[in-house]
Amino acid sequence: KAGVTQTPRYLIKTRGQQVTLSCSPISGHRSVSWYQQTPGQGLQFLFEYFSETQRNKGNFPGRFSGRQFSNSRSEMNVSTLELGDSALYLCASSLETGGLYGYTFGSGTRLTVV
Amino acid sequence: KQEVTQIPAALSVPEGENLVLNCSFTDSAIYNLQWFRQDPGKGLTSLLLIQSSQREQTSGRLNASLDKSSGRSTLYIAASQPGDSATYLCAVHNNNDMRFGAGTRLTVKP
Repeated sequence: KAGVTQTPRYLIKTRGQQVTLSCSPISGHRSVSWYQQTPGQGLQFLFEYFSETQRNKGNFPGRFSGRQFSNSRSEMNVSTLELGDSALYLCASSLETGGLYGYTFGSGTRLTVV
Repeated sequence: KQEVTQIPAALSVPEGENLVLNCSFTDSAIYNLQWFRQDPGKGLTSLLLIQSSQREQTSGRLNASLDKSSGRSTLYIAASQPGDSATYLCAVHNNNDMRFGAGTRLTVKP
């Protein structure tokens, strides 16, 4: 069965621009979580969506936002990009919210802000 | 606030050796713990998921143990191979929050 699909794989943006990343979870999975990974901070939780509702949110500024559609696909948006937003963005899907069933990760989107 | 620590940060072993990676956490009220591997520039691949009620899980050459009371988990890799070279991350899940350790970078030399 298909895994978690993230698009695009790579992005280069200029400071001040905005960007939208997409994540399609495993079929049947209703929870989608987003993470930012950088060499200095490691993996940091951004937010989790379940049934089109944001269930949890990490400690990131309001420039980071997301949404989930009725088919469980999720998008993450970052506005007014800063150099420090350069990172690997990973999404993970799970059957239900709460993490009881563990998480399956996508391959990530590598965002470079110049 | 849950803190997750992985020791060592890096490990280099010759092919064929058995090895143990360590993960410790500060809050024992966890739902589960999951071990992942990550190849450079790639996403995370799930290796093993241990629920809070379990003591260990096995998959092939991998065995993960969990001791909630002491806040520790170990990942045992038997007969290591060069293809095992990667960064290994443990993630602890509790109260709708998942925290990752910084990872152990493993190199298995042929």
